[in-house]
Amino acid sequence: TQLLEQSPQFLSIQEGENLTVYCNSSSVFSSLQWYRQEPGEGPVLLVTVVTGGEVKKLKRLTFQFGDARKDSSLHITAAQPGDTGLYLCAGANRGAQKLVFGQGTRLTINP
Amino acid sequence: SAVISQKPSRDICQRGTSLTIQCQVDSQVTMMFWYRQQPGQSLTLIATANQGSEATYESGFVIDKFPISRPNLTFSTLTVSNMSPEDSSIYLCSVETGTGGSEQFFGPGTRLTVL
Repeated sequence: TQLLEQSPQFLSIQEGENLTVYCNSSSVFSSLQWYRQEPGEGPVLLVTVVTGGEVKKLKRLTFQFGDARKDSSLHITAAQPGDTGLYLCAGANRGAQKLVFGQGTRLTINP
Repeated sequence: SAVISQKPSRDICQRGTSLTIQCQVDSQVTMMFWYRQQPGQSLTLIATANQGSEATYESGFVIDKFPISRPNLTFSTLTVSNMSPEDSSIYLCSVETGTGGSEQFFGPGTRLTVL
């Protein structure tokens, strides 16, 4: 059974600070996806990383896929209250439609 | 992108009753997924529903407890049967984005409370 471990599970910081969320596994994935979920809504896809070592940027968010495709990180620069939410990483394997979700990181940005 | 709606958005039910959750997509999709998200937790896949075939259930979930219908390519239902307080969760349906990867679009979820 493939597992994804996210850390930290909870993070509360002040507006303007930087943070990094980690998503680790002992298994190799063909791709890793990051979602953000706000209260009362379903998760929304932020990015997919496919190539080992790949880095993708989405405004103040930087996503990286590990060289061995077993881990990923999400770095937020100058966090804003609008970044508050549950961040989920999800691993995918080629040919399989199912996703393996991490436990999630609940992020709170205080004004 | 796909627009997904779910009904009801929330419900409070009595122990021992059943609730059917509807999921409607604005485009035809081959596969639909049903997830459970317990309070403060991540997503757990219940089953995968293909149109015209039996749903495929994950370990720990059975058809008698969570029967699924998939009558056409835009619609699916999940029934939570003989409910107990432990079934209190958010239930989400999702579909693949169709980009060739495994990315999914999610519905807004149905928040179920069982008393």
